[in-house]
Amino acid sequence: ETGVTQSPTHLIKTRGQQVTLRCSSQSGHNTVSWYQQALGQGPQFIFQYYREEENGRGNFPPRFSGLQFPNYSSELNVNALELDDSALYLCASSPGTGLTGELFFGEGSRLTVL
Amino acid sequence: DAKTTQPNSMESNEEEPVHLPCNHSTISGTDYIHWYRQLPSQGPEYVIHGLTSNVNNRMASLAIAEDRKSSTLILHRATLRDAAVYYCILSPNNNDMRFGAGTRLTVKP
Repeated sequence: ETGVTQSPTHLIKTRGQQVTLRCSSQSGHNTVSWYQQALGQGPQFIFQYYREEENGRGNFPPRFSGLQFPNYSSELNVNALELDDSALYLCASSPGTGLTGELFFGEGSRLTVL
Repeated sequence: DAKTTQPNSMESNEEEPVHLPCNHSTISGTDYIHWYRQLPSQGPEYVIHGLTSNVNNRMASLAIAEDRKSSTLILHRATLRDAAVYYCILSPNNNDMRFGAGTRLTVKP
């Protein structure tokens, strides 16, 4: 059973560019959540995808968007990058939505915006 | 949203028990108490969760006050690998987990 994998692990972009981050969920998991973690802070919820539909969103602007594919892998897209978007982006999967059990996190993609 | 209050940092000696407190006086009846930890350069890792009764698993124990306004995560024998930031989170489920700043645990050999 493979865990949650994210790519790329590190990347550097310039202000105004667009970025796509990818996540493969744990086998058998149909729910993926994305979090942003700024340096020295706890992760902040961006949104969740359940069976290819957005299923809840945190306080992030529309330039943060996502997709979930039929195999339940997911993408996070950020347009018009700003300096404050520099952060660790974490993906987490679970076997369903509305559960109380364990969220399985990947190791994250570290984005630096110059 | 119900908030949690945790100490910014704690220190422990290796092989001694560690009690990590969390205050949550505004907890609602449907909120579970979730604990995650984040080791350096890794994503958060699930530790334990509970609703009303104390819970035990292979990693830790969770002691929940009778009025549910506070809880304590107990690591029975701290090891150097337990050095991490520990997050106490209130949520009715794991859909939208509101992480705070957590407690940074240092384990001294």
